[in-house]
Amino acid sequence: AQSVTQLGSHVSVSEGALVLLRCNYSSSVPPYLFWYVQYPNQGLQLLLKYTSAATLVKGINDFEAEFKKSETSFHLTKPSAHMSDAAEYFCAVTLAQGGSEKLVFGKGTKLTVNP
Amino acid sequence: NAGVMQNPRHLVRRRGQEARLRCSPMKGHSHVYWYRQLPEEGLKFMVYLQKENIIDESGMPKERFSAEFPKEGPSILRIQQVVRGDSAAYFCASSPRSVTEAFFGQGTRLTVV
Repeated sequence: AQSVTQLGSHVSVSEGALVLLRCNYSSSVPPYLFWYVQYPNQGLQLLLKYTSAATLVKGINDFEAEFKKSETSFHLTKPSAHMSDAAEYFCAVTLAQGGSEKLVFGKGTKLTVNP
Repeated sequence: NAGVMQNPRHLVRRRGQEARLRCSPMKGHSHVYWYRQLPEEGLKFMVYLQKENIIDESGMPKERFSAEFPKEGPSILRIQQVVRGDSAAYFCASSPRSVTEAFFGQGTRLTVV
């Protein structure tokens, strides 16, 4: 069954530093993979998604993620952190089961950006 | 095109009361998904509906919880006889075809006192 593991429930970086949020998945079939961002008391906003096209996926706000099949990873990066990036980030994978398809989420990583 | 609309944004219920959460999908979207988010947890799938049909309710608790998506009007997630453990954020997502095209609403934060 598909599942998602996000390494590090909390990540702290300095403003201007590289952001790296880790996500590993397990899937018996080629997956669709997603990164979402959630600001406090808000809903989920899609940052980017991998749908079996290019392995390097660019998203909004200069975020990008690389699908690495050999490592079963889909880590999220941003070259230079901004204070407004402070939020919680969720990795998700599609799960097809019993004739329907749903998203399975990791537990999330809270990103803190220090001035 | 307005986004996925959920109301109310915040809901307080006493133990034993009923909670009704509403989700209006985006225009043209006939697929609705409900998720629950507990503190320090990711989002957990509850139910997937298409107009007038429940497609997958494998994530719904067996008792007290029900969902519908009528031909007209919003999708409703109903929790009867709420308990403190039901306190959570409930999110709805809608899509035109597949969950890979889903958009999420702002959520309803339920507090049971």
